[in-house]
Order: sequence, then C-alpha cells, then structure tokens
Amino acid sequence: DTEVTQTPKHLVMGMTNKKSLKCEQHMGHRAMYWYKQKAKKPPELMFVYSYEKLSINESVPSRFSPECPNSSLLNLHLHALQPEDSALYLCASDAGTGDTDTQYFGPGTRLTVL
Amino acid sequence: AQSVTQPDIHITVSEGASLELRCNYSYGATPYLFWYVQSPGQGLQLLLKYFSGDTLVQGIKGFEAEFKRSQSSFNLRKPSVHWSDAAEYFCAVGSANEKLTFGTGTRLTIIP
Repeated sequence: DTEVTQTPKHLVMGMTNKKSLKCEQHMGHRAMYWYKQKAKKPPELMFVYSYEKLSINESVPSRFSPECPNSSLLNLHLHALQPEDSALYLCASDAGTGDTDTQYFGPGTRLTVL
Repeated sequence: AQSVTQPDIHITVSEGASLELRCNYSYGATPYLFWYVQSPGQGLQLLLKYFSGDTLVQGIKGFEAEFKRSQSSFNLRKPSVHWSDAAEYFCAVGSANEKLTFGTGTRLTIIP
C-alpha cells in the first residue's frame, strides 16, 4: 500500500481564522514533506520532517507552522493567512534513508483564503 | 545544483497516437529520475522511476521511459494514448540527501 491521505480535501478560511491540514501514512516512512502548488506550476517544497524532527524549512512564513506528532502523522497549522496563500497543499512521504527514496504524494488539500 | 527542464509546456495528441514527453536533467553524478502524473485538482501519482540498471524503465498505465546519460535525458513514452491520459506530467530529479527537483511540467491534451 502506497497511500498517503490528507484531510480536508477542500478548505475555505478567512484571513483571521486558524485551521489545520492533516496528513497520514502507514507505510513506515520516516520522512514527510509539505509542498505548496499554485495553478500550472510544479510543487514547491515547504518543510521536511525526518524521523519526526524538522530538517528543512524553505524560508516559509511563520503563519505556516508544521507539526509531526508521530512517525505517521504530519500537520500544517495555518494562522493569519493571506489570499496569495491559496493553493493546493500536498503532503508526501518516503522511507527517509536519504538514498534511493521514492516520494509518494497524497491527494492534496485545496485551500482558499478569502 | 541539480535541475530539470521540460521543454514542452503543452502537447496535444490524438487518441490512439504515440506519445513522447521530453525531460532533460542537469546533475554531476548519477541522478535518480522520476515521472509523476497529476490530474486536475489531484495529487501526484508516480508513473515510474530510474535509479540504476536497465536504462529502459517500465511504469504503470503502459508508460515507459529511457535514461540516456549521453543526452542527459529521461523521456517518457507511450505507444497509444487514451483519453484518460490527459493530465499534467512532471519529471523530477533527486539524489542521495538532496531534495526532489521538479520540472515545470507538460500539460497533455488528448483529442478524439
């Protein structure tokens, strides 16, 4: 099974709201990723967790706050977002060996910020 | 630094015709190469990957890709496309301890 699940599928929020995106995998993967994807563009890496520790933060604004409660779960907490943050947010995971790892992606959360 | 170029932004193919999507990479050592497909509003699905060994790689949905080191290419092919193949296709390059780098994508349109 190579499934990564994400909830919710769609999210509409105001600029003052606080919301969270969730990602889950049960493949025993030890690296998990958040990507942001704008229309007609490739995914842009936001964060990487390796063995539940944040290993890469691609200079993402602090209104995005990642959390990795355990090896299967990854959250992205959202607060005071801007309309330009509207995008498809993708979660991915891989084995985390740092070698010939293949990333598997979830279906994404379509976020609209009003 | 590694990079990927997909020179074709948009390709239109008739249903039943053959397909080739181009991908060129830049990396000093042997890269790990991937093709992903994305239907509108969906996540990325892995079609195939190349790490080493046989340079012709078979993937899902009838796709294959050939690694050509001399041309720094990893082109994706399918002998006969179906309407359901209409999607965005991303080539990506990775390496040990390096993040995945995506190309800009090629949008495939299928006409009846």
